[in-house]
Amino acid sequence: DTEVTQTPKHLVMGMTNKKSLKCEQHMGHRAMYWYKQKAKKPPELMFVYSYEKLSINESVPSRFSPECPNSSLLNLHLHALQPEDSALYLCASSQEAVDQPQHFGDGTRLSIL
Amino acid sequence: AQSVTQPDIHITVSEGASLELRCNYSYGATPYLFWYVQSPGQGLQLLLKYFSGDTLVQGIKGFEAEFKRSQSSFNLRKPSVHWSDAAEYFCAVGPNYGGATNKLIFGTGTLLAVQP
Repeated sequence: DTEVTQTPKHLVMGMTNKKSLKCEQHMGHRAMYWYKQKAKKPPELMFVYSYEKLSINESVPSRFSPECPNSSLLNLHLHALQPEDSALYLCASSQEAVDQPQHFGDGTRLSIL
Repeated sequence: AQSVTQPDIHITVSEGASLELRCNYSYGATPYLFWYVQSPGQGLQLLLKYFSGDTLVQGIKGFEAEFKRSQSSFNLRKPSVHWSDAAEYFCAVGPNYGGATNKLIFGTGTLLAVQP
């Protein structure tokens, strides 16, 4: 059982829709991450939050908007996505230290029509 | 620049056979090394990690990995593979000095198939 919970598991949306992905962890981790993963590829880092502040944005298009309302929650707001944004979106969390492993959720499978 | 190479894109082994997945890294300091496994439709699960100390690391599900500094390698092994081990395996290295320290550098992955 994963300790990082992501909802929804699947999402289909049109290019004009607005939707949000949600991630929750209760391990007391203070770093949280969003990754994008295309089929047969490794995860690509999108955003990192550290102590609820955005610390890394890997030049992600503005149609992706992250939010960290509190230390347990991480959201990814989606608007005007493109078909190439279809992918598995993974959330992860870790203790805020370089030697701490990241714990991943099972992801949201996103399809853009 | 830091990098991770997994030379084998796809490996097929018979159930009960031994397994070794290769991982080579390029890193300017002592790396933190990880192996993750991803089953279809799921996220990444940490198998094991190496930071320092004993170079032979034991992980979950009967996996182990050996850190060899002279070869810049961190190969994953299992003495007897089970059908449930079929999955994608990712080697990763961190931290990313000179950039974002939270950022892991992932290899391209090795897809393991297990024959009955």
